[in-house]
Amino acid sequence: DADVTQTPRNRITKTGKRIMLECSQTKGHDRMYWYRQDPGLGLRLIYYSFDVKDINKGEISDGYSVSRQAQAKFSLSLESAIPNQTALYFCATSDGGRAWEQYFGPGTRLTVT
Amino acid sequence: TQLLEQSPQFLSIQEGENLTVYCNSSSVFSSLQWYRQEPGEGPVLLVTVVTGGEVKKLKRLTFQFGDARKDSSLHITAAQPGDTGLYLCAGGSSNTGKLIFGQGTTLQVKP
Repeated sequence: DADVTQTPRNRITKTGKRIMLECSQTKGHDRMYWYRQDPGLGLRLIYYSFDVKDINKGEISDGYSVSRQAQAKFSLSLESAIPNQTALYFCATSDGGRAWEQYFGPGTRLTVT
Repeated sequence: TQLLEQSPQFLSIQEGENLTVYCNSSSVFSSLQWYRQEPGEGPVLLVTVVTGGEVKKLKRLTFQFGDARKDSSLHITAAQPGDTGLYLCAGGSSNTGKLIFGQGTTLQVKP
């Protein structure tokens, strides 16, 4: 089984809808991250969490919120989806001792129409 | 704001050719990672370099961290179609505990 899983893998939704993307990990890592990927822009950090009680905004957090339900679970919500949030979304994890070595899930392709 | 510039953005070569991808910044990083991503999958970590001037080899791939820890390069010798994918560099900052990613280099190796 994969160490980092994301659900759903694909989602099409309409403008204004609320949507939640979920991430689970079995690596036992304390740190979790949400990124979005757009062509030609690399990966941009949305939110990150160093432990269950430590959640921080990344460079593009507007329009998004997160919840760290447990060490192994980190969800990303779009409160009111808009078309420019159409992108690939990735969850990643890392161990605090080797924080820069991040392990990514398979991604969620989100389309907002 | 820390930025990482990757070049080239696109590279299409024939099997057997050599290539180099560059990752440059005006900022100093505590570490530099290279990831490879295939369509429909998440990035997979290839290597981490942490010491200025460090060179690491992974089969036909050679990674180098600049002496000043501001830049890095990835060299592939005798590229194969299986090397096709998106290569991403990422710099780690001890100040922020976060990674900054370059835009990526899309490599296509034709048989």
